[in-house]
Amino acid sequence: DAGVIQSPRHEVTEMGQEVTLRCKPISGHDYLFWYRQTMMRGLELLIYFNNNVPIDDSGMPEDRFSAKMPNASFSTLKIQPSEPRDSAVYFCASSSWQGAPEAFFGQGTRLTVV
Amino acid sequence: DAKTTQPPSMDCAEGRAANLPCNHSTISGNEYVYWYRQIHSQGPQYIIHGLKNNETNEMASLIITEDRKSSTLILPHATLRDTAVYYCIVRANSGGSNYKLTFGKGTLLTVNP
Repeated sequence: DAGVIQSPRHEVTEMGQEVTLRCKPISGHDYLFWYRQTMMRGLELLIYFNNNVPIDDSGMPEDRFSAKMPNASFSTLKIQPSEPRDSAVYFCASSSWQGAPEAFFGQGTRLTVV
Repeated sequence: DAKTTQPPSMDCAEGRAANLPCNHSTISGNEYVYWYRQIHSQGPQYIIHGLKNNETNEMASLIITEDRKSSTLILPHATLRDTAVYYCIVRANSGGSNYKLTFGKGTLLTVNP
């Protein structure tokens, strides 16, 4: 397996534009996590899914953020409209509690909103 | 909020053992102790986890106190590539809504030549 795959690796966009981050989890994993990392706030859990269903979205900062998981092999995190304070590295991770309990992280998407 | 307390930074000489402490005094009976690390510009990487017994794998050893209120991650022979932020996390392994993995600020370990 190629691991958790995120795209794009880097994204630069203008304030007000819509941004969509994508994640392909490891095949067979039934949990998917979205994190945001900044220098000020560290690694924050935004939302996580179990079997494609959102379980906890309490970390989603505001209504401008939305996440979907239409199937077991794909998830998106959308920001609309984007703001400069959304600039961060966004990580996706997947895991399966029925097997190895560790979460595997992707390489992240570095988002810059100008 | 993270349920663990770690020193913000530590130094270690290359080739020596690195001992990273973590306090988790409010840990519940069904919660495991997990350790991850994050090398600069990469995603976090799983290292090891345990419930109450000491654990060892190819990367590190985990020593958990008998009362489970603290633990120590040991890198037996630190190398320059072990320079990273190390996160200690407590989490239940029961699945469902208790399965979130919450990171604190971690410890920046710097291995010096």
